[in-house]
Amino acid sequence: KQEVTQIPAALSVPEGENLVLNCSFTDSAIYNLQWFRQDPGKGLTSLLLIQSSQREQTSGRLNASLDKSSGRSTLYIAASQPGDSATYLCAVLSGSARQLTFGSGTQLTVLP
Amino acid sequence: KAGVTQTPRYLIKTRGQQVTLSCSPISGHRSVSWYQQTPGQGLQFLFEYFSETQRNKGNFPGRFSGRQFSNSRSEMNVSTLELGDSALYLCASRQAGSISSYNEQFFGPGTRLTVL
Repeated sequence: KQEVTQIPAALSVPEGENLVLNCSFTDSAIYNLQWFRQDPGKGLTSLLLIQSSQREQTSGRLNASLDKSSGRSTLYIAASQPGDSATYLCAVLSGSARQLTFGSGTQLTVLP
Repeated sequence: KAGVTQTPRYLIKTRGQQVTLSCSPISGHRSVSWYQQTPGQGLQFLFEYFSETQRNKGNFPGRFSGRQFSNSRSEMNVSTLELGDSALYLCASRQAGSISSYNEQFFGPGTRLTVL
């Protein structure tokens, strides 16, 4: 059974800092890994999708890496802004049924 | 292209009642999945529908059911509501298929269900 862990559970940083969020998963047989952002009471916004054959993806100030063999992914946020404050969720698509398994998220607060 | 839409956005029900939630996927997407999100359990997979057939089901009681129509729209039904069913119910769609990019999931805004 796939399990996804995210560390840290919460993070508070001053504006302008670069930061790294971590995600680990137990079964390396994945199709892809997605990073999502969730604002309080809202749905999920897809940030980055990394296919199993890829090592990283970049979008603006965001960069996500994937090391499938070690079961790890990191989300790097450069020059953080207060508007980045949200919960960041990592999810892996795996299994014959292609089910998404989510981590519990990292709650990020960027202080102005 | 319109995103995933869910209706209603908010619902208040009492214990013992039943509820039906609706999800319209992105045009051209054939797979619809449902998730329950609670503060204690996080995001948990309920089930996935593809071409009107349930392909996979999570670990939820039979009170939770769903269906998908020929236009890929999906409904989820919860019967005999319990207090613990209070949650944000999220629907996600993907194109599905052998091309890897077809497996990116897109989520709707969710339906907030409160059971009193």
